[in-house]
Amino acid sequence: DVKVTQSSRYLVKRTGEKVFLECVQDMDHENMFWYRQDPGLGLRLIYFSYDVKMKEKGDIPEGYSVSREKKERFSLILESASTNQTSMYLCASRGTAISTEAFFGQGTRLTVV
Amino acid sequence: DQQVKQNSPSLSVQEGRISILNCDYTNSMFDYFLWYKKYPAEGPTFLISISSIKDKNEDGRFTVFLNKSAKHLSLHIVPSQPGDSAVYFCAASSLTGANNLFFGTGTRLTVIP
Repeated sequence: DVKVTQSSRYLVKRTGEKVFLECVQDMDHENMFWYRQDPGLGLRLIYFSYDVKMKEKGDIPEGYSVSREKKERFSLILESASTNQTSMYLCASRGTAISTEAFFGQGTRLTVV
Repeated sequence: DQQVKQNSPSLSVQEGRISILNCDYTNSMFDYFLWYKKYPAEGPTFLISISSIKDKNEDGRFTVFLNKSAKHLSLHIVPSQPGDSAVYFCAASSLTGANNLFFGTGTRLTVIP
């Protein structure tokens, strides 16, 4: 059974803290993604990576960075957490074939206070 | 600019009746379309997909229709069940894209027993 695992289901952090969200996939997928979901805004792409050490900005990269040192792991970093980064964060992975779906992790509900 | 649009934020349907969820897109380069279902506090799960070379794909109670000339797709659920109550996201990708999936804003389906 394919799996994308996010390190935390729920996180509460203080404003200004550096926050790490971890994601691991076991499908040997080249492509990994970080999205955030907010009411009425759908899933917005923050960053994606198509290979180890490669990354591309998505639609809303400001305030975030990413790291992909190993193929199976993709980390999202909030450099200095702010209250407007309170959201549901979703990691996904996808193979290279066009006719494939992306697999999502269970999500991390981050609250910044 | 939103390339995939779901103009109905919510839909209520009686159990046993048909649910029709709609999705429009603007990018004519999109050639693969997917529907995801999302329960609260969980990651989206893949439901059904369709390639641009087809106009219909069916899987059990779920059917997706694609009208390329209108840049429109729809998901039909027949018969609707209370367990279908969730947020449904439409997504699209293209061969020329970097394996990104572009998501709509979602439609919350409520199936009334």
